[in-house]
Amino acid sequence: EPEVTQTPSHQVTQMGQEVILRCVPISNHLYFYWYRQILGQKVEFLVSFYNNEISEKSEIFDDQFSVERPDGSNFTLKIRSTKLEDSAMYFCASRRRLAGGPYEQYFGPGTRLTVT
Amino acid sequence: GQQLNQSPQSMFIQEGEDVSMNCTSSSIFNTWLWYKQDPGEGPVLLIALYKAGELTSNGRLTAQFGITRKDSFLNISASIPSDVGIYFCAGQSLANAGGTSYGKLTFGQGTILTVHP
Repeated sequence: EPEVTQTPSHQVTQMGQEVILRCVPISNHLYFYWYRQILGQKVEFLVSFYNNEISEKSEIFDDQFSVERPDGSNFTLKIRSTKLEDSAMYFCASRRRLAGGPYEQYFGPGTRLTVT
Repeated sequence: GQQLNQSPQSMFIQEGEDVSMNCTSSSIFNTWLWYKQDPGEGPVLLIALYKAGELTSNGRLTAQFGITRKDSFLNISASIPSDVGIYFCAGQSLANAGGTSYGKLTFGQGTILTVHP
């Protein structure tokens, strides 16, 4: 069964460094998402991406964040200058595009980002 | 922004018991999704609901989309030890003014389920 994959599974970085989190969505999916989950809290929406552009973003997704689909399979989240409060699990998700739905989103296993 | 209230926050039950959890919102959603998350892993989709009043089953799991579009519940019957985990509801908003829904999910706070053998 196709699944969303993410690399790395765990990333440790120093405050102020840039990190790139990578995702390979399910191959016939056209909508892509990033969410994050701070330890012990709920999952929060960051950004959605469709047709090679950001379609929606949350207040969390400020100028330090960017997303890119550099080729036909990868979807990346970049944090330019990490802060301590960026420490969280980051999940990539994807869904198919069907007129009128369904709108099922499938999540990857996550990347645990630790900023020291 | 939209907020989902999920309850209960945690449940401790005996194997074989039935479980019920629910989510309520002050806003309307056009899709409700229920996910299960094991420690250190990503949310796994359990059930998706698309119509108000819809009742859907997936094995021992049953979920309903409330008539008002502002609530949903999930029932697990005859619980087993592998049901342990965190269960999240997630609502998907109505289409924006342009008529396109990009699919942003708003999650509840989660229900931590512990099953004692």
